[in-house]
Amino acid sequence: DIQMTQSPSSLSASVGDRVSITCRASQSISTYLNWYQQKPGKAPNLLIYAASSLQSGVPSRFSGSGSGTDFTLTISSLQPEDFATYYCQQSYSSPFTFGPGTKVDIK
Amino acid sequence: QVQLQESGPGLVKPSQTLSLTCTVSGGSISSGTYYWSWIRQPAGKGLEWIGRIFISGSTDYNPSLKSRVTISVDTSKNQFSLKLSSVTAADTALYYCARETAGYSSGWYDWGQGTLVTVSS
Repeated sequence: DIQMTQSPSSLSASVGDRVSITCRASQSISTYLNWYQQKPGKAPNLLIYAASSLQSGVPSRFSGSGSGTDFTLTISSLQPEDFATYYCQQSYSSPFTFGPGTKVDIK
Repeated sequence: QVQLQESGPGLVKPSQTLSLTCTVSGGSISSGTYYWSWIRQPAGKGLEWIGRIFISGSTDYNPSLKSRVTISVDTSKNQFSLKLSSVTAADTALYYCARETAGYSSGWYDWGQGTLVTVSS
């Protein structure tokens, strides 16, 4: 199985801050990497697919980059509705695996 | 707009079989090239992919659960289903169904709201 790690596991930030979350795969996954946002009691919401493609309807302040084993999700200016947990997920090979999540809360 | 809705018993006894159904509305489960997946999340923990089915009936399961999992599709009812046998307390989780487009890294862009299954006697 491909193992996914994320850093940090949690972070505190203020509205308007630029926030970056890193995801690393245990082997190269090309750009088969997706990012999700999850709020309490809700299903995950797809933000970024194929490492850097913005899902329809997702605000442009979200962006993704990377290839191979190292990936980054960036929120350019954190908004109140962005406080949530973020997961990366590899779709390179089955079983499809998620990172452990990064919780973003209010500073 | 395709919508997914999970349904099934919220309480299952240990050693029994968990059975859930995902009903697809707003589109035909048979149209297009999609994979239909089950994903679960224990309370306060991360996400685990269980398996998926293609409309042809071909399946792909997480090896960690493969011996206990069966995913099937019923095109006449526009549904797909999950069966997980010999459950234990470790199978207590919120279970989601989700859709992705086959052929590239589309991600799971449509999700059900999730259904909580508790394994307890």
